[in-house]
Amino acid sequence: QVHLVQSGAEVKKPGASVKVSCDASGYTRYFIHWVRQAPGQGLEWMGIINPTGDTTNYARKFQGRVSMTRDTSTSIVYMELNSLRSDDTAVYYCATSDSPANWYFALWGRGTLVTVSS
Amino acid sequence: EIVMTQSPATLSVSPGERATLSCRASQSISNNLAWYQQKPGQTPRLLIYGASTRATGIPARFSGSGSGSEFTLTISSLQSEDFAVYYCLEYYNWPPWTFGQGTKVEIK
Repeated sequence: QVHLVQSGAEVKKPGASVKVSCDASGYTRYFIHWVRQAPGQGLEWMGIINPTGDTTNYARKFQGRVSMTRDTSTSIVYMELNSLRSDDTAVYYCATSDSPANWYFALWGRGTLVTVSS
Repeated sequence: EIVMTQSPATLSVSPGERATLSCRASQSISNNLAWYQQKPGQTPRLLIYGASTRATGIPARFSGSGSGSEFTLTISSLQSEDFAVYYCLEYYNWPPWTFGQGTKVEIK
């Protein structure tokens, strides 16, 4: 059962930006994380946004290139990644916990495949 | 930042046998550890949180143990549907959240 609904696959050229959305209706009090997985690779945490959308924290690797926003009127969370490179090709997941008080990832979106290719 | 190291990278096990997967943290993380199962083309599935608590709907053949910096996921009798990649995640000293690199459990 999918609780977080993500936008569809994207194909981008190197240097472009991509914006992936995650419908977090029903999770308005929850922090939302973004995790990515390159083909054949492991899981990599990218960052987190708080319930009100006014606080974010990004993994050091992505600082300056990623932006996470949250539209509280629609419950949509966005992850924008700029200056795309071929090694940004990955499935991008939004995830959250099963309670606002828990900090592990219990619920995941289906993932959004972002392909970066010239 | 905490580094999570999983071993082995690949574990070859026959159906019905026990599988033991390890996860080591570079510093103590108390019991703030989760385990996930991921099958090809699928989303990660939470198995264990708090190092030893099974998530809702997870079969009893999955068990987690450990605290501090050494953790173990045990699958008591492997079923065909258990062949997958398993990841540990620490959520003690966030941010960041850190995953292990994964252990692939394959059919022997």
